[in-house]
Amino acid sequence: RKEVEQDPGPFNVPEGATVAFNCTYSNSASQSFFWYRQDCRKEPKLLMSVYSSGNEDGRFTAQLNRASQYISLLIRDSKLSDSATYLCVVRRPRSGGSYIPTFGRGTSLIVHP
Amino acid sequence: DGGITQSPKYLFRKEGQNVTLSCEQNLNHDAMYWYRQDPGQGLRLIYYSQIVNDFQKGDIAEGYSVSREKKESFPLTVTSAQKNPTAFYLCATRSSINTEAFFGQGTRLTVV
Repeated sequence: RKEVEQDPGPFNVPEGATVAFNCTYSNSASQSFFWYRQDCRKEPKLLMSVYSSGNEDGRFTAQLNRASQYISLLIRDSKLSDSATYLCVVRRPRSGGSYIPTFGRGTSLIVHP
Repeated sequence: DGGITQSPKYLFRKEGQNVTLSCEQNLNHDAMYWYRQDPGQGLRLIYYSQIVNDFQKGDIAEGYSVSREKKESFPLTVTSAQKNPTAFYLCATRSSINTEAFFGQGTRLTVV
């Protein structure tokens, strides 16, 4: 089982739609959860951190469910510019006590007119 | 201008050659990471360093080597032992205070 799993998609939605992505992680000792956005042939950029109580940033809402070990990202009122790959990131423990950012393979979103 | 600088942006390597990818940061971050990304795939951890003069193997360290002689610099050498080196290489840093990682713009390595 992969450490961090995501549905690769693509999710193909019209402008204005609401779309949700899920991500599951295998190590219950993981700390710190994030969503990154990656545009084609570019580096990943932080979209938002994910907090236990859930958090919202404009049209984006992130949720964390520690009991079920998944995080989610909800995008409301999709824009053409939201088209990108969304990477789920989990800081999981490695030997020696360090916590390392571990990435899912990403979910591709295509927003069409 | 603060940030993470990776160079070169594009690199072509002949089979059997070693090449070194540069990663420099002026963010004063303690932790630095090297990831590899293949088309349609997620990022896989090659090596990481939590402090100067210390580094650890990641999940796919074979065929790679690193050094961390200065806080600002974490170069990655792709050796001839790496059989499939063509990929997008990303360097990231993280401060000891914050938990999120920040990325350089990446280096695209192609074996010709």
